[in-house]
Amino acid sequence: EVQLVQSGVEVKKPGESLKISCKGSGYYFTGSWIGWVRQMPGEGLEWMGIIYPGDSETRYSPSFQGQVTISADKSINTAYLQWSSLKASDTAIYYCARKAGYTHGWYYFDHWGQGTLVTVSS
Amino acid sequence: SYVLTQPPSVSVAPGKTARITCGGNNIGTKGVHWYQQRPGQAPVLLVYDDSDRPSGIPERFSGSKSGNMATLTISRVEAEDEADYYCQVWDGSSDHYVFGTGTKVTVL
Repeated sequence: EVQLVQSGVEVKKPGESLKISCKGSGYYFTGSWIGWVRQMPGEGLEWMGIIYPGDSETRYSPSFQGQVTISADKSINTAYLQWSSLKASDTAIYYCARKAGYTHGWYYFDHWGQGTLVTVSS
Repeated sequence: SYVLTQPPSVSVAPGKTARITCGGNNIGTKGVHWYQQRPGQAPVLLVYDDSDRPSGIPERFSGSKSGNMATLTISRVEAEDEADYYCQVWDGSSDHYVFGTGTKVTVL
């Protein structure tokens, strides 16, 4: 069974750093892209970026380029999303999800983590 | 950047049919995928490649596409179908993953 298990709730202050995680199991983690998706309170889904754990090739949405860093450690089947200096506007739920759709090249996300709630408040 | 537009809300009585549209420029050339997000839960893949269903997804959920519009149809609506629904495409020209604006389905 494919599973993506994310780290727990985080409460931080503005200016603090943070790294959240997403651990994959039940499939070949190294060979599947993992994406990150933000959902701000009461809002829709926004794609942030994606990483290939095999070689850590990473792509970012222009909206998030320079704002976050996506990384992965294939030795422990885990992808990360990190901030160096959080802002109140980073308050959101963050989901990791596995990329699929290689048959036609119409890519989508077939399995999702449970989400990590990040609250940034002074 | 590529934009996918959905109606903000759709209301439907139990047992009836709900249709959720997703519009985008040249969407006919892209594969459209749909997700269901129940309150407080993570999104779940509902339909991929315009009209295919992952295993475990009821046949009541179906996808179609015509012209510049994709449609998710929910037949014989049940109370548990009350959720937010998002369409999504991969924009090959930018290598970006784009989600629609989302539609809240209310079961009356």
